[in-house]
Amino acid sequence: DADVTQTPRNRITKTGKRIMLECSQTKGHDRMYWYRQDPGLGLRLIYYSFDVKDINKGEISDGYSVSRQAQAKFSLSLESAIPNQTALYFCATSQTADQPQHFGDGTRLSIL
Amino acid sequence: QKEVEQNSGPLSVPEGAIASLNCTYSDRGSQSFFWYRQYSGKSPELIMFIYSNGDKEDGRFTAQLNKASQYVSLLIRDSQPSDSATYLCAVNWDSGTYKYIFGTGTRLKVLA
Repeated sequence: DADVTQTPRNRITKTGKRIMLECSQTKGHDRMYWYRQDPGLGLRLIYYSFDVKDINKGEISDGYSVSRQAQAKFSLSLESAIPNQTALYFCATSQTADQPQHFGDGTRLSIL
Repeated sequence: QKEVEQNSGPLSVPEGAIASLNCTYSDRGSQSFFWYRQYSGKSPELIMFIYSNGDKEDGRFTAQLNKASQYVSLLIRDSQPSDSATYLCAVNWDSGTYKYIFGTGTRLKVLA
């Protein structure tokens, strides 16, 4: 089984819908991250969490919110989806802030 | 100026040759440096990480860090067609404001 699991793997939805992407991990890491990846722009950090009570905005948090339900679970929500949020979304974890990050398989999100 | 810069490529090398991938970064306070490999449509996977000036070798891969010149490189010896992928450089610093910034990646093609 994957150490970092993202659901769903693919999602197509319409503008204005609320969407939740879920991430769970079995690595026992405290730190969890959400990124989006767009062609030509690379990976950009949306939100990160260093523990259940410590949640921080990344460089592109507008239009997104997160919830850290437990050490192992970190969810990303799009309250009212818009087409320019169409992207590949990755969840990642790390043991400490300066250690390598371990990525889930990604969620391909399309907003029509 | 981008915080982490990579040549987008593609960098084409013949099978068996050495591939040299370069990355420059703007913040002298950067602490940790990572190389990830990403196949098309897949998640990034860690290749190497380096914290100190100098070289670090792991099998066919060598990471080189020069903090004075603010660059980090990845050498791939005996390149194989299976090495064909996009290589992402990432730089981390956590002095007040946490950052983990990815470059946009260099696409490597190893020609059989």
